[in-house]
Amino acid sequence: EVQLVESGGGLVQPGGSLRLSCAASGFIVSYPYMTWVRQAPGKGLEWVSVIYSGGTTYYADSVKGRFTISRDNSERTLYLQMNSLRPEDTAVYYCARGLRHRQDYWGQGTLVTVSS
Amino acid sequence: SYVLTQPPSVSVAPGQTARITCGGNNIGTQSVHWYQQKPGQAPLLVVYDDSDRPSGIPERFSGSNSGNTATLTISRVEAGDEADYYCQVWHSTSCHYVFGTGTKVTVL
Repeated sequence: EVQLVESGGGLVQPGGSLRLSCAASGFIVSYPYMTWVRQAPGKGLEWVSVIYSGGTTYYADSVKGRFTISRDNSERTLYLQMNSLRPEDTAVYYCARGLRHRQDYWGQGTLVTVSS
Repeated sequence: SYVLTQPPSVSVAPGQTARITCGGNNIGTQSVHWYQQKPGQAPLLVVYDDSDRPSGIPERFSGSNSGNTATLTISRVEAGDEADYYCQVWHSTSCHYVFGTGTKVTVL
């Protein structure tokens, strides 16, 4: 059974850093690709980043240069390193498994709050 | 950047048909995926590649895509279908994934 469990969220001050983790079971995180999607309180879904099986990564313009997606295949874990956090980064962050440009399995999300 | 526009809300009586549109420039040339999200829950894929359904999704959920509009159709609507629905495409030019603005479906 495919499962995704996010962790690492919490309260952080503006300008601070946080690393999110997503533990996968039932498949390996190198296949086929993995994404992070976020949802600000009361708002819609916003794609954040993707990492493909070959290691290629892409980022939304709103986080490019501040966030870094990575994975540890042996630990079956996906990461999102978030630096220079802003209040507008406050959201629930979901990891999701990708297949042919759709997200077929999602975690339950972890809340990140950026506030002083 | 590529924008997908959905109506903020759709209301439908039980047993009737709900249609949710997703507008985008030449969206008919792309594969569109649809997600259902209930309060406090993660999104759930309900239609992929315009009109296919994942295992476990009722046949009441169907999709179409042509020109500048994709449509998710929910037939014989039930109270349990009340949720937010999002369309999504992969924008090949930017290699970005794009979600629609979202539609809240209310069952009267």
